[in-house]
Amino acid sequence: SYVLTQTPSVSVAPGKTARITCGGNNIGSKSVHWFQQKPGQAPVLVVNDDSERPSGIPERFSGSNSGNTATLTISRVEVGDEADYYCQVWDGGSDHVVFGGGTKLTVL
Amino acid sequence: QLQLQESGPGLVKSSETLSLTCSVSGGSISIGSTYWAWIRQPPGKGLEWIGSMHHGGGTFYNSSLKSRVTTSIDTSKNKFFLQLKSVTASDTAVYYCASPRVGSLDAFDIWGQGTIVTVSS
Repeated sequence: SYVLTQTPSVSVAPGKTARITCGGNNIGSKSVHWFQQKPGQAPVLVVNDDSERPSGIPERFSGSNSGNTATLTISRVEVGDEADYYCQVWDGGSDHVVFGGGTKLTVL
Repeated sequence: QLQLQESGPGLVKSSETLSLTCSVSGGSISIGSTYWAWIRQPPGKGLEWIGSMHHGGGTFYNSSLKSRVTTSIDTSKNKFFLQLKSVTASDTAVYYCASPRVGSLDAFDIWGQGTIVTVSS
């Protein structure tokens, strides 16, 4: 089965740039979606199809995907961005939705 | 605006069947090519996809759960359902229903608030 690997935690200072990675075999050939989840809340889609931002998501959130790594970039990080972030793909080989293990973003 | 709401027992006994309902409002469950999904999250852990279903009958299930999962849709009530049989403590989780963006199978942009299900021994 297809596996997505995320670094468990990332720390960044306010105003700086956070990069959260998602590794998978030839993930560049798949469409990657990113979700933000704050404690006690349902996940929120922040980037879909590698780099598209849903309506209402700040331009500070951007995504890229190439080779074996997809990246969610959060510019000018704010305290309110502190959350868990999950990457996700559709694996056509198994007809499965696959989530990464999640990355906890801490804003110092 | 489409909204989803999960409902069901918060406590299920081990070896019994977990049954949940997702009520859809603000839109039709029969619309287009939407595959409605169930996703769960054990306490302190990550997201796990359970399965996705279409009102026309198409389904995709997580192979690790497939033998225990049944899903269905009631278009007249605008609801869809999850049954998970022979539950154990490892099935304790927050269960979400979700809907993907139009034209997508998996970019879930609409989520219910989630319902906590605890499996007791």
